[in-house]
Amino acid sequence: EVQLVESGGGLVQPGGSLRLSCAASGITFSNYAMSWVRQVPGKGLEWVSAISARNDSTYYADSVKGRFTISRDNSKSMLYLQMSSLRAEDTAVYYCAKTSSGWGGFTDCWGQGTLVTVSS
Amino acid sequence: DIQMTQSPSTLSASVGDRVTITCRASQSMSTWLAWHQQKPGKAPKLLIYKASTLESGVPSRFSGSGSGTEFTLTISSLQPDDFATYYCQQYHSYWTFGQGTKVEIK
Repeated sequence: EVQLVESGGGLVQPGGSLRLSCAASGITFSNYAMSWVRQVPGKGLEWVSAISARNDSTYYADSVKGRFTISRDNSKSMLYLQMSSLRAEDTAVYYCAKTSSGWGGFTDCWGQGTLVTVSS
Repeated sequence: DIQMTQSPSTLSASVGDRVTITCRASQSMSTWLAWHQQKPGKAPKLLIYKASTLESGVPSRFSGSGSGTEFTLTISSLQPDDFATYYCQQYHSYWTFGQGTKVEIK
């Protein structure tokens, strides 16, 4: 069974930084692209960032470009999202998501999410 | 960027009703479309991919159709467990979600 478990969320002040982690199990992690998707409470889903299986391609939504960095460690089956210069509008539940192929493909598995709150 | 527009935003229906949700893309994307279901406080769950392929374990009352720019998700006979929010997701050019359709009890 595929499991994605996020951690690292919490309360951070505007302008601050936070690193989210996602531990994957039940899959050959290095075969799949991975993404971060966020959801403001009560609102819709917003895709944030993705990284290819081989770690050679990354993509970011315009809303986070230049502030967030996605990375992965295939040897540990871990996905990360380094978030800096955080703003109130970054407050959301952040989901780790597996895609169906090494790059591109649809989201076929979701973590349970971790809440990030940006507030003074 | 491909924009995805779902309609309606909210749908009121009764158990046993046939329900249809539409998703329109801002440009043609073949059949690179998935549908996800989300219940309150839970992570989304994949229902359908490649516009019409049912994910393993998903009940057959769910079906998807369409290609190009217009897609539909149909629930043939709404069950109590189906009251949730549904999102379309394009994966033709990176990824974009529709704004969601909440299916609520009439």
